[in-house]
Amino acid sequence: QKEVEQNSGPLSVPEGAIASLNCTYSDRGSQSFFWYRQYSGKSPELIMSIYSNGDKEDGRFTAQLNKASQYVSLLIRDSQPSDSATYLCAVISSGSARQLTFGSGTQLTVLP
Amino acid sequence: GAVVSQHPSRVICKSGTSVKIECRSLDFQATTMFWYRQFPKQSLMLMATSNEGSKATYEQGVEKDKFLINHASLTLSTLTVTSAHPEDSSFYICSARDIQDQETQYFGPGTRLLVL
Repeated sequence: QKEVEQNSGPLSVPEGAIASLNCTYSDRGSQSFFWYRQYSGKSPELIMSIYSNGDKEDGRFTAQLNKASQYVSLLIRDSQPSDSATYLCAVISSGSARQLTFGSGTQLTVLP
Repeated sequence: GAVVSQHPSRVICKSGTSVKIECRSLDFQATTMFWYRQFPKQSLMLMATSNEGSKATYEQGVEKDKFLINHASLTLSTLTVTSAHPEDSSFYICSARDIQDQETQYFGPGTRLLVL
């Protein structure tokens, strides 16, 4: 069974700190990885996509991918209270359907 | 950026009635759209994959006769919840994959369904 695992949290960090969110996946053939942010009562919003090993930076966000370890992470620098949300890791698994498989999400709270 | 709309955003209906939810890609074409359902405090669960011009593919445990999906054009997919019951109350979210970019899914704002 293809799975995506996340620590459900809640994760609390003080304002200005670095928030680190982690995700592991079971399908070794997965090629595409995404981080979505979901505010309470809203639909997911794409933050980052990453396809190759290493780091990818976009503003305060850095996604890290290690395919050998089947691990993907998201770092949020200079965390703001507005970053408080649930962060969903999603993976496109191998196979023709190209469906997204979501983790259960990590709830992040940034304390002012 | 890619925008996906859903209508209605919120619907309340009586048990036994049918509800139709529309999902539109506004500035791109989508051969594939996805329908998800999310219960409180849970992650998104894929219900079905909707392909333009062909029958939808349903996930295991999702009744195709209860959740009717139509994807008649490259910008519109509809989900009809037939004979809705209180247990169908949930947050229904569609997403669309740009025909030009077969990797990224863009999500609609969701439809909150409450069946009384």
